[in-house]
Amino acid sequence: LAKTTQPISMDSYEGQEVNITCSHNNIATNDYITWYQQFPSQGPRFIIQGYKTKVTNEVASLFIPADRKSSTLSLPRVSLSDTAVYYCLVGAGGSQGNLIFGKGTKLSVKP
Amino acid sequence: DAGVTQSPTHLIKTRGQQVTLRCSPISGHKSVSWYQQVLGQGPQFIFQYYEKEERGRGNFPDRFSARQFPNYSSELNVNALLLGDSALYLCASSPSLWGNQPQHFGDGTRLSIL
Repeated sequence: LAKTTQPISMDSYEGQEVNITCSHNNIATNDYITWYQQFPSQGPRFIIQGYKTKVTNEVASLFIPADRKSSTLSLPRVSLSDTAVYYCLVGAGGSQGNLIFGKGTKLSVKP
Repeated sequence: DAGVTQSPTHLIKTRGQQVTLRCSPISGHKSVSWYQQVLGQGPQFIFQYYEKEERGRGNFPDRFSARQFPNYSSELNVNALLLGDSALYLCASSPSLWGNQPQHFGDGTRLSIL
């Protein structure tokens, strides 16, 4: 199972765009890249998932280069409520049950 | 639509006791996974069930067991509780085992061992 590396923490200000990059050098051909957001005492909330190139939904964008060895979660115009821990995961194709969570990136948004 | 629901939300037990945690997946989801999250760490995988069969097991002792019922709900059992079992226990469901169908998590059961 591919492991991921992401920054432990990031700081930002309200209204800014935040980009969190995740490294996954050993990603397998059939692996998908998934990002979750977690607030204290709550379960992780699914944000976005992608396989290659760019994926966009109503809350975020995910950029994946051609070699797929990294990915970048982009949060446009963050607000104080985006302060949370963000996890990057690479799922084993065919079975996502054993997702490997790292420590995630703690994003702090300041006024 | 209802998300993943877990019960109870909080639980206090003493060392040596046994506990059962419950999870109801999103309607139509056949896969349920359990995770343990200790304060300050990411969730750690415990079990995955799909169509009532165990499909994966993490590095946890035999004191931990689980099962899935015909309606796809699931229970996690922990015997002979230790202080180190204090954690947030998370349940996640997904439609199948395929990688393009992400897991969706409940808000967990907070288990405290005294």
